[in-house]
Amino acid sequence: DAGITQSPRHKVTETGTPVTLRCHQTENHRYMYWYRQDPGHGLRLIHYSYGVKDTDKGEVSDGYSVSRSKTEDFLLTLESATSSQTSVYFCAARDSTNEKLFFGSGTQLSVL
Amino acid sequence: AQTVTQSQPEMSVQEAETVTLSCTYDTSESDYYLFWYKQPPSRQMILVIRQEAYKQQNATENRFSVNFQKAAKSFSLKISDSQLGDAAMYFCAYRSAGDDMRFGAGTRLTVKP
Repeated sequence: DAGITQSPRHKVTETGTPVTLRCHQTENHRYMYWYRQDPGHGLRLIHYSYGVKDTDKGEVSDGYSVSRSKTEDFLLTLESATSSQTSVYFCAARDSTNEKLFFGSGTQLSVL
Repeated sequence: AQTVTQSQPEMSVQEAETVTLSCTYDTSESDYYLFWYKQPPSRQMILVIRQEAYKQQNATENRFSVNFQKAAKSFSLKISDSQLGDAAMYFCAYRSAGDDMRFGAGTRLTVKP
């Protein structure tokens, strides 16, 4: 499973507060991703990283920012959480040798 | 943008029977990868099977196999001898070089004992 750890596993927060979700990998993969999962939409890409300090936007990036200061860590920040950001968030890392994507266990975020 | 369509929001199968989940995709690329992921109630995303577009032979992993029809842009998953543990959401996904992974909306599979 590429040793991907997400924290926290669950979080409840209030509208307008900042939230940071953490992702840690142990396999030294270059590419890492943040997705959100919502009913009827599957998984949608928020942001991705192709190296330390190298990030780019996905299809649903508004309201989110990311940072990658080390190969193993990829952070997702909601600057000011809104109820529309209530979702399950997945971090993933890509094994470039076989194109497989490995996922963390997900974070259930509720914005009240 | 490439899109992935799973036209069956829900499917059910009797234990020990065979079920096929459908997936179609839209692309202008000739070289790409296709995947099926399983998401059980634990929420963990588990890779079931992977297909490279340049390979004509359909991928197989134990009871799981695919029917890859490149011209039709179709990538269905067949589960043989269904087991109770196969009950899950199944996501079809597509990725081409230089592009991101795109997922379908998912199919919820129920296995009846």
